[in-house]
Amino acid sequence: ILNVEQSPQSLHVQEGDSTNFTCSFPSSNFYALHWYRWETAKSPEALFVMTLNGDEKKKGRISATLNTKEGYSYLYIKGSQPEDSATYLCAPNTGTASKLTFGTGTRLQVTL
Amino acid sequence: DSGVTQTPKHLITATGQRVTLRCSPRSGDLSVYWYQQSLDQGLQFLIQYYNGEERAKGNILERFSAQQFPDLHSELNLSSLELGDSALYFCASSVVAGGTDTQYFGPGTRLTVL
Repeated sequence: ILNVEQSPQSLHVQEGDSTNFTCSFPSSNFYALHWYRWETAKSPEALFVMTLNGDEKKKGRISATLNTKEGYSYLYIKGSQPEDSATYLCAPNTGTASKLTFGTGTRLQVTL
Repeated sequence: DSGVTQTPKHLITATGQRVTLRCSPRSGDLSVYWYQQSLDQGLQFLIQYYNGEERAKGNILERFSAQQFPDLHSELNLSSLELGDSALYFCASSVVAGGTDTQYFGPGTRLTVL
C-alpha cells in the first residue's frame, strides 16, 4: 500500500493570497503523479498528470512541480479566488499500473 | 460534466440487501475504475476493468463484485450490505489503461445502508 501524505490538511486564505501545498509519496517505483481538484457536491476533476523529475505544469493560476527523487510535489495557487475553494488531491501510481492511490487531500477555503 | 454517467444518484437500502450501481464511461474510453469514499477515509480504489477484462484489484471486499459489458458500461454489485458500506461510490474512465492516462470521474452514487 502506497503511503501518500498531503499537507496541510486544511488551509484558509484571503482572496488574492497565494498559497501552496505538498504531496509526499514513496520515490521508489514512481511512474506518474496525478493532481485533482474536488469541489463540494461535485466529482474530482483532473488538473495535472506529471511524470518527469523537475516537471512543472501550469493551468491558469494553478501550477505544480514534481521531485521524483525525493518523492514530493507542490501545488501552487497564485492570487486565490473564492472559486478555488475545494479539496486538492494528489495520487501517485507506480509501475505502469493505472490504479491511483489518493492522499486525503488539502481542503482550501478562500474568503473575500 | 466529465461525460461519465452513474446511476442511481442516491440509493437507500437496508442491511443484508444487494444493490447494483451502474456506470457508463465517456465515449471512446475503454477503461473503467471504481472508487469508494467513506466518511473518514480518502478515495479508495476498488477495481479496474479494461475492455471487458479485470485489470487491477484494490481493497474490494469479497461481497462486492463488478463487471464490464461489451458496450463498455460497468456495474458494481454490493451484496450482504452492512452499515459500514454506506459511502459515495465513484466510477471513473480513461481512454486506455496506462499510468499517465487522465481518469475522468462520474458524479457518484451515494449509498446509505440503514
